[in-house]
Amino acid sequence: IVLTQSPGTLSLSPGERATLSCRASQSLTSSRYLAWYQQKPGQSPRLLIYGASTRATGIPARFRGSGSGTDFTLTISRLEPEDYAVYYCQQYDSSPQGGFTFGPGTKVDIK
Amino acid sequence: EVRLLEAGGTLVQRGGSLRLSCAASGFAFSSYAMSWVRQVPGKGLEWLSAIRGSGRSTYYADSAQGRFTISRDNSRNTLFLQIRSLRAEDTAVYYCAKSVSADADDAVDYWGLGTLVTVTA
Repeated sequence: IVLTQSPGTLSLSPGERATLSCRASQSLTSSRYLAWYQQKPGQSPRLLIYGASTRATGIPARFRGSGSGTDFTLTISRLEPEDYAVYYCQQYDSSPQGGFTFGPGTKVDIK
Repeated sequence: EVRLLEAGGTLVQRGGSLRLSCAASGFAFSSYAMSWVRQVPGKGLEWLSAIRGSGRSTYYADSAQGRFTISRDNSRNTLFLQIRSLRAEDTAVYYCAKSVSADADDAVDYWGLGTLVTVTA
């Protein structure tokens, strides 16, 4: 399964809403197999969302995941200064055609 | 507190072999699947391999099949990644990561700081 993320870069001002897209080349057998991660420069990735819509421990409510099948979305309701980062989606459908691939990432930078 | 500490990254010649390790603490290691993910500096994340808590089931990316071997020693709370026939394109930071659950097909909720492998000609 290949994941495509769009846009490649999103330039937004603090307080604005960010909508990040992740599209799978084929439908996931379950939406539970989709996660979102945030990575800041020089840091390890951080889990934000798993099971397509469940926030990981300590993740603020402004982060929301949604979607099913082949189309998934990460929404950041109001951007905070600490949210500027690269965001990756990952599918972890271990069915034979699945594998655990990451998308190429969306960079959210300050407008 | 969950801690994952990778080690073993170094400068290595093309064609050589390397074993990376990841020392885990702060959680019941044998109860969780573990993964290896790598990242070429400035590029995206590439999932390589995962192993269930028991160690009995392993999973590999197509790019890792055949040259990479994941294993774990639950008595030492340590995860390993053996890499053979190293290529220039294996140059990357290698992260160890803990799964949310015992299932290898799950998200990873803790990551180490990574260890840099550099393959030279």
